[in-house]
Amino acid sequence: EIVLTQSPGTLSLSPGERVTLSCRASQSISSSYLAWYQHKPGQAPRLLVYATSSRATGIPDRFSGGGSGTDFTLTISRLEPEDFAVYYCQQYSSSSLYTFGPGTKLEIK
Amino acid sequence: EVQLVESGGGLVQPGRSLRLSCAASGFIFHNYAMHWVRQAPGKGLEWVSGINYNGGHIDQADSVKGRFTISRDNAKNSLYLQMNSLAPEDTAFYYCTGGPTLSYRFDYWGQGILVTVSS
Repeated sequence: EIVLTQSPGTLSLSPGERVTLSCRASQSISSSYLAWYQHKPGQAPRLLVYATSSRATGIPDRFSGGGSGTDFTLTISRLEPEDFAVYYCQQYSSSSLYTFGPGTKLEIK
Repeated sequence: EVQLVESGGGLVQPGRSLRLSCAASGFIFHNYAMHWVRQAPGKGLEWVSGINYNGGHIDQADSVKGRFTISRDNAKNSLYLQMNSLAPEDTAFYYCTGGPTLSYRFDYWGQGILVTVSS
């Protein structure tokens, strides 16, 4: 089973700062099947990035994804107040099907 | 505008059954694989089950195998989750979600519906 680990668990930052979130897989995964989601309390999760680095429709270009193999990142170049939320990475593989990471919570400092 | 609207949640006793429904609009439903993803209180997202565009292929998480059944009716643009033998650990918000066939991602999400399993 492929396990996704996200670090750190919680980040306290200020608007305007740059942040890079990490997602590490327990074994190599296809870059085509790595996605990132934003989730705010009481709202539906939102797809941000798919296939490691492709932004979903309507997602601002301050969000960017990268990585390969077992190490993937989501970078927010300049935090806006609306970006404070929980971020999840998600992968698909034929062996493990769909798995999510435990999430990274971005909170306002 | 894309909409996924879940219904059928609520409080149910352990061992009983519940059926969730999801009404889809604003996109070509039969072109999308559809899934249920849940979030237990204070926990992260967990994929539950998925069904391909025509219902011909179904996958499930081990945690629900043999108890939950996903289905779809493309004529009604609807997704369903039949949940049997419910246990307290099934308590969660259940989200209806979908992505383009063979994309293995979740583009559209409903607002979620709460299922509480308790005596």
